[in-house]
Amino acid sequence: AQTVTQSQPEMSVQEAETVTLSCTYDTSENNYYLFWYKQPPSRQMILVIRQEAYKQQNATENRFSVNFQKAAKSFSLKISDSQLGDTAMYFCAFGPPGSQGNLIFGKGTKLSVKP
Amino acid sequence: KAGVTQTPRYLIKTRGQQVTLSCSPISGHRSVSWYQQTPGQGLQFLFEYFSETQRNKGNFPGRFSGRQFSNSRSEMNVSTLELGDSALYLCASSPAGMRSNSPLHFGNGTRLTVT
Repeated sequence: AQTVTQSQPEMSVQEAETVTLSCTYDTSENNYYLFWYKQPPSRQMILVIRQEAYKQQNATENRFSVNFQKAAKSFSLKISDSQLGDTAMYFCAFGPPGSQGNLIFGKGTKLSVKP
Repeated sequence: KAGVTQTPRYLIKTRGQQVTLSCSPISGHRSVSWYQQTPGQGLQFLFEYFSETQRNKGNFPGRFSGRQFSNSRSEMNVSTLELGDSALYLCASSPAGMRSNSPLHFGNGTRLTVT
């Protein structure tokens, strides 16, 4: 069975600095999807970034980028120029091939951005 | 375009009762997935519906059921409520699920408290 591990329950960063959130996963599949979702206090899960396993190039979305290491089964999220609005729970998620809406989530990392 | 709408936002029920939660997906989205979020277990997949058919189901007891209507709106039902069913229930929609490589769009969730 696939598993997703986020080893950092909580992290904090100063505004404007860079922070990296870790995620590792376990799978025997070759093709799959990886996601980072953000859940602010409003509770709504918001997609931050997505990576397709067959693409070697790391995905980027503005201040958010990933370091995808397929052989190591690692998928870390880097947030540059952190903003107060980045304060949230961040969840790493694994999408098996043909999973049809069934994502496997990590337990999350609570990120606090301090002024 | 309106986002995923979940109703009600909060719900308090007594052990043994049953409850129905509602989810209206983004217009044009045909896939609806349900997740249970608790502090202890994190986010767990309940089931996914596409074109009124359940396509995938998580590892939950039969007390948890769902359905999808022809307009893609979905409901989930929990019968004989237990204290452990207290959780945030999240609904997510996508155009066609993981096979189309489309990400999930989540609603704000329904907070269910069982007393």
